[in-house]
Amino acid sequence: QKEVEQDPGPLSVPEGAIVSLNCTYSNSAFQYFMWYRQYSRKGPELLMYTYSSGNKEDGRFTAQVDKSSKYISLFIRDSQPSDSATYLCAMSVGGATNKLIFGTGTLLAVQP
Amino acid sequence: DGGITQSPKYLFRKEGQNVTLSCEQNLNHDAMYWYRQDPGQGLRLIYYSQIVNDFQKGDIAEGYSVSREKKESFPLTVTSAQKNPTAFYLCASSPKTVVYGYTFGSGTRLTVV
Repeated sequence: QKEVEQDPGPLSVPEGAIVSLNCTYSNSAFQYFMWYRQYSRKGPELLMYTYSSGNKEDGRFTAQVDKSSKYISLFIRDSQPSDSATYLCAMSVGGATNKLIFGTGTLLAVQP
Repeated sequence: DGGITQSPKYLFRKEGQNVTLSCEQNLNHDAMYWYRQDPGQGLRLIYYSQIVNDFQKGDIAEGYSVSREKKESFPLTVTSAQKNPTAFYLCASSPKTVVYGYTFGSGTRLTVV
């Protein structure tokens, strides 16, 4: 079993829809959770960062962490064609370690 | 502007040749990483280095080699021993403790012809 599981998609939605992207994990020691966005043939860029449980909002994006269920989500409101990309979740135990564990990524297509 | 620069963006190699991918960062990060990305397989760690003159194998190190002679630079050599080298290669860096994740370069697409 992988430490981090992510549905690869592809996920296709119409413009303006609310998108929900999810990851589950098995290591209860994870404390730091990130979402990266990767456009085709580009490097991933950090989109959202969350520490421990709770929600974090940034514009149209909301990151949610439920440590009791070992489940994290990224919500995109009013999705735009420019949101079409692969979204990767990543997590770390923090502390003295710098090892980041990535999900395989979900390919999102927002149709105009 | 601080960041990571990977070069070249596209690289073509004949079978049996070694090739070196460049990665330079000016973020003053201690740690650097090389990943390989294939469709449907996510990011796979090749090598990483947490300090100058030291590096460790990742999950798929066979057929690859690295060096870390300077803090800013972490070149990756794809050797002829790598059986399936055509892929998208990503370099990343981070501070010693990962709190805000890694910073990635823009990648190098290697094609064996």
